[in-house]
Amino acid sequence: DTAVSQTPKYLVTQMGNDKSIKCEQNLGHDTMYWYKQDSKKFLKIMFSYNNKELIINETVPNRFSPKSPDKAHLNLHINSLELGDSAVYFCASSQDREAFFGQGTRLTVV
Amino acid sequence: GDSVTQMEGPVTLSEEAFLTINCTYTATGYPSLFWYVQYPGEGLQLLLKATKADDKGSNKGFEATYRKETTSFHLEKGSVQVSDSAVYFCALSDQGDFNKFYFGSGTKLNVKP
Repeated sequence: DTAVSQTPKYLVTQMGNDKSIKCEQNLGHDTMYWYKQDSKKFLKIMFSYNNKELIINETVPNRFSPKSPDKAHLNLHINSLELGDSAVYFCASSQDREAFFGQGTRLTVV
Repeated sequence: GDSVTQMEGPVTLSEEAFLTINCTYTATGYPSLFWYVQYPGEGLQLLLKATKADDKGSNKGFEATYRKETTSFHLEKGSVQVSDSAVYFCALSDQGDFNKFYFGSGTKLNVKP
């Protein structure tokens, strides 16, 4: 069973489009995250939710909007995609100060 | 604020060589420390962790000791294999802000046969 699963794994889209990435965890964790990994492998936290409540919102453009329908799901919607949004996006969940990551979604904006 | 600094890569070693990847941290509280590994095309996997000073985390032949006096958590392995080629991330989770993980910039390890 996959602990943290995100879909799609690959996403290629044109500039200006709107797209969503979905994430689900079956670990029963209270906290979920979205991270962005750039081409140099640097990981930057974007958002964190705890029991469906937004607790971390780093400096991220308003075009990015997370949504947590329940504590097992955290989706990321991106409006008006730009070339600079191309990256790998990782979902994660945590409990007791240990984080578990999904496989990543490689987003390519052309 | 909290932060993690790790040595820049890439690190290139021959099989069976000794590995050290340096990691130092800054934290306001009493953090837990982690090493994560990312194999090509995959997500991050927890490699090992230590939750208090002088703890040693170990897994798959890798070790790291939580050194509060030097604020370090260096990763070591006595004999690397080609299959260890990956990107390694040092990370911390602070006691006072347990929901937030701080990651280093990652160190790419290439092991040649």
